[in-house]
Amino acid sequence: TQLLEQSPQFLSIQEGENLTVYCNSSSVFSSLQWYRQEPGEGPVLLVTVVTGGEVKKLKRLTFQFGDARKDSSLHITAAQPGDTGLYLCAGHRGSTLGRLYFGRGTQLTVWP
Amino acid sequence: DVKVTQSSRYLVKRTGEKVFLECVQDMDHENMFWYRQDPGLGLRLIYFSYDVKMKEKGDIPEGYSVSREKKERFSLILESASTNQTSMYLCASSLGTFRYFGPGTRLTVL
Repeated sequence: TQLLEQSPQFLSIQEGENLTVYCNSSSVFSSLQWYRQEPGEGPVLLVTVVTGGEVKKLKRLTFQFGDARKDSSLHITAAQPGDTGLYLCAGHRGSTLGRLYFGRGTQLTVWP
Repeated sequence: DVKVTQSSRYLVKRTGEKVFLECVQDMDHENMFWYRQDPGLGLRLIYFSYDVKMKEKGDIPEGYSVSREKKERFSLILESASTNQTSMYLCASSLGTFRYFGPGTRLTVL
């Protein structure tokens, strides 16, 4: 059973469009992280959110942590081809070492 | 700049071979991890280590072992490679909760 469910699994859009990726769970997390992975590379951390209701912005990317700390979303405004990649959410539930739970990822393709 | 390196980007091995995947980090991190990544399954934790010579099983340790003789180095060993171990293997290190990943090793077992 997957603790974090990401949707959609695939997203293919034109340059300039907006999109939202969702990361949902029935469990509470102490923090949620978002990573981006480009082909042939390892995931790279984009942001960590730790407070319920928190919103963080990274240029055209907006990350939100749900009030109940069970879900998160990633919104990209005016997507560009350079945004193409696999977006992974990952949740940490406390101090248990090694327990970072990953979603299965959203593969985003942005066409010029 | 933070760096996690893996010994090979691509590896092709035969069924039954013993395979060593090496990972080195230069950040003096205590914690190191091995994941495998498969399409549709996401990242799954194989083993992790929170100190030299310490190791803990993750979610899918069967068929794998690990070694951590030095703080900066964490090795993943496939004792007898099988075709179902064909995958992308990612090493990571951490100080806190988030992970610094290496570039991955794409292993094919024929």
